[in-house]
Amino acid sequence: EAGVVQSPRYKIIEKKQPVAFWCNPISGHNTLYWYLQNLGQGPELLIRYENEEAVDDSQLPKDRFSAERLKGVDSTLKIQPAELGDSAVYLCASSLVQAGGEQFFGPGTRLTVL
Amino acid sequence: QQQVKQSPQSLIVQKGGISIINCAYENTAFDYFPWYQQFPGKGPALLIAIRPDVSEKKEGRFTISFNKSAKQFSLHIMDSQPGDSATYFCAAKGASGSRLTFGEGTQLTVNP
Repeated sequence: EAGVVQSPRYKIIEKKQPVAFWCNPISGHNTLYWYLQNLGQGPELLIRYENEEAVDDSQLPKDRFSAERLKGVDSTLKIQPAELGDSAVYLCASSLVQAGGEQFFGPGTRLTVL
Repeated sequence: QQQVKQSPQSLIVQKGGISIINCAYENTAFDYFPWYQQFPGKGPALLIAIRPDVSEKKEGRFTISFNKSAKQFSLHIMDSQPGDSATYFCAAKGASGSRLTFGEGTQLTVNP
């Protein structure tokens, strides 16, 4: 069974530039999560989707961050414009609805904003 | 808001020794307590999890001890191996629909 796929794995951009991350969850997983992981810290939830619906986006900085999950499968997280403080690892995870709370994580995208 | 506090921040043990990582939580509505293992360049992977109706759960060399009254839980790694060297995160979650809250992580190094 293929795991959660994310791309790109690494991204380096200048501040004020836009950037987008893509996630393909495990087949059949209804719930998709985007997390932010700063160096030396645990992941923090940005947004959670149940199928196509964003059901928890309270921690998403909506002035510069946006996300979409078309057709309830793949998802894209966008930052526009990026700031220096956005440098972090962006993790995508998926789960079967909320089954047992078990979430399967992708390898993440490491973003560096210069 | 730090709802799950994890210690120590880093831990060094010798091969064959016992690694112990502790977590404390504040929210009594939490009812699911997983531990994740993360290797460099990888996403976190579920290691073992417990619900508060039991005080201990063991899977191979990994054991979770849970103290509901103290609102604490810990991970014990028996016979620690160099391959166990990774960052470990405790986490907690409430009822269905709530978010998973992670601790700050413990970087474990097992020396050969």
